[in-house]
Amino acid sequence: GQQLNQSPQSMFIQEGEDVSMNCTSSSIFNTWLWYKQDPGEGPVLLIALYKAGELTSNGRLTAQFGITRKDSFLNISASIPSDVGIYFCAGPITGANSKLTFGKGITLSVRP
Amino acid sequence: NAGVTQTPKFQVLKTGQSMTLQCAQDMNHNSMYWYRQDPGMGLRLIYYSASEGTTDKGEVPNGYNVSRLNKREFSLRLESAAPSQTSVYFCASKGLAGVGPYEQYFGPGTRLTVT
Repeated sequence: GQQLNQSPQSMFIQEGEDVSMNCTSSSIFNTWLWYKQDPGEGPVLLIALYKAGELTSNGRLTAQFGITRKDSFLNISASIPSDVGIYFCAGPITGANSKLTFGKGITLSVRP
Repeated sequence: NAGVTQTPKFQVLKTGQSMTLQCAQDMNHNSMYWYRQDPGMGLRLIYYSASEGTTDKGEVPNGYNVSRLNKREFSLRLESAAPSQTSVYFCASKGLAGVGPYEQYFGPGTRLTVT
């Protein structure tokens, strides 16, 4: 099936640092979505990417749609304590555009 | 706009009890979804409704039933709860193709414990 891989499972950074995370697949995707889940809350959509090579920013967050269409990257600059949470990538399942497949997520911890 | 709302927020059940998780969206979205989230397993799709009047199984449908009551509401029922159904349940919705055709919007979740 179309699986999305995110690793490592957890990342620990110091406040103020930049962090980069990626999402990879052996399958091609025509859309990449990045979600963040705060502790005890539901996932919230951060960025949607629809075109290979596209680079999109949302405040301190920047995401890129990989040229091969098999990966995507999310960068957070100048991290702050409220960046703590789980970051998921997601993409539509081919032939079932109503459904998404999700990566297992990366838990980000930010040390003050 | 409240977006996607879910009730209850927390629930404790004994094995064998039944309950219904409620979900409603006020974004006029066509598609609605139920997921469960377990540690290390990510989000897994239980059931979905691509449009009003249709429902389909997802990845982990066993032990659950759903009802798309109308365009706004999509409920998830556990007929006979089991400890393996202890999880956090999320409802999500998605609009029509066109603008943001794949983007799903999530509710705050229901934390269910089955003892």
